[in-house]
Amino acid sequence: DAKTTQPTSMDCAEGRAANLPCNHSTISGNEYVYWYRQIHSQGPQYIIHGLKNNETNEMASLIITEDRKSSTLILPHATLRDTAVYYCTVRVLLAGNMLTFGGGTRLMVKP
Amino acid sequence: KAGVTQTPRYLIKTRGQQVTLSCSPISGHRSVSWYQQTPGQGLQFLFEYFSETQRNKGNFPGRFSGRQFSNSRSEMNVSTLELGDSALYLCASSPGASGTFLNEKLFFGSGTQLSVL
Repeated sequence: DAKTTQPTSMDCAEGRAANLPCNHSTISGNEYVYWYRQIHSQGPQYIIHGLKNNETNEMASLIITEDRKSSTLILPHATLRDTAVYYCTVRVLLAGNMLTFGGGTRLMVKP
Repeated sequence: KAGVTQTPRYLIKTRGQQVTLSCSPISGHRSVSWYQQTPGQGLQFLFEYFSETQRNKGNFPGRFSGRQFSNSRSEMNVSTLELGDSALYLCASSPGASGTFLNEKLFFGSGTQLSVL
């Protein structure tokens, strides 16, 4: 599996966009990038995933670089409820639901 | 729809004991996977069950086992508990409808916090 690297922590002002980077320089061609977040004392929550193209849903946007070695999760208008640990991970092809998270980025949204 | 339900929420055991954790997936979901989360190791995959069969297994000792019932509910068991087994144990379910299972979102429960003394 490709390894991912994320900053340990980030701050964001409420109402502003939060841009969370992830490095996955060893990603292979068939591996998808997934983002989850975990709010304190809850289980992880799926946010978004993508292969090559940029993706957007009701929660966030995912920007993947052309060489696929890095990606950025964008929360367009961060709220206090977005304070959480954000995990970027790579899913191995045909590996079922094996999911592994590293340390993630602790995002603190401040008023 | 009700979410993924895990019981109990908290558990305290002593070394050498065994423990059984329960997970009820979202109605209609056929795949259930289990994870161990610790501050030092992050989230690690334990095993996945689909239609009562173990489909994948992570790199954990044989003391960790699981099963899935015909109604998709799942249990995991840890025997001969060690101090290092203290962790948050998470269960996740997914529909299991896709052949490759690659693009399925996982829906997690809130976990069982196990403390081994």
